[in-house]
Amino acid sequence: KAGVTQTPRYLIKTRGQQVTLSCSPISGHRSVSWYQQTPGQGLQFLFEYFSETQRNKGNFPGRFSGRQFSNSRSEMNVSTLELGDSALYLCASSYTFTASGYTFGSGTRLTVV
Amino acid sequence: KNEVEQSPQNLTAQEGEFITINCSYSVGISALHWLQQHPGGGIVSLFMLSSGKKKHGRLIATINIQEKHSSLHITASHPRDSAVYICAVSMHGGSQGNLIFGKGTKLSVKP
Repeated sequence: KAGVTQTPRYLIKTRGQQVTLSCSPISGHRSVSWYQQTPGQGLQFLFEYFSETQRNKGNFPGRFSGRQFSNSRSEMNVSTLELGDSALYLCASSYTFTASGYTFGSGTRLTVV
Repeated sequence: KNEVEQSPQNLTAQEGEFITINCSYSVGISALHWLQQHPGGGIVSLFMLSSGKKKHGRLIATINIQEKHSSLHITASHPRDSAVYICAVSMHGGSQGNLIFGKGTKLSVKP
């Protein structure tokens, strides 16, 4: 069965622009979580969605937002990009939001210039 | 102090050696995850533990809830095991996706 699909794989944006990243979970998985990975801060939790509802949000500014659609696909959006937003953005999906294992996507590498 | 601490940060081993990576945490948890990340970024979930011990092939993960400590062991290490191994915890009472991550252990296995 297909894994977690993230698009695009690579992206270059200019400071001040906005960007939208997409995550398609494994079929049947209803929980999607997003993470940011940078060399300085490592992996950090961004947000978690389950059945189109945001369950949790990490400690990130309001420029970072997301949503989940009825087919469980999720998007995250970053507005007014800053150089420090350059990172690998990973999503992971699971069947529920409690006590179940995760499958990660390959990530979207965002470079802000 | 980080809530999740891993040791060592870097580890070089010869093929065939037994490897141990440690993870200590300071918060109450509902589960602990061991993840593997290869160059290029993709992450594979190796184990999710809430108690005891789990084994998959040459990998063994243990957790001691009282001591707030977990170990990942690799028996008969192989160059293909070279990767970054990351420990992550889900806090007690929180949802599973809200993970707190360690900084990772970079493992290099030489042939």
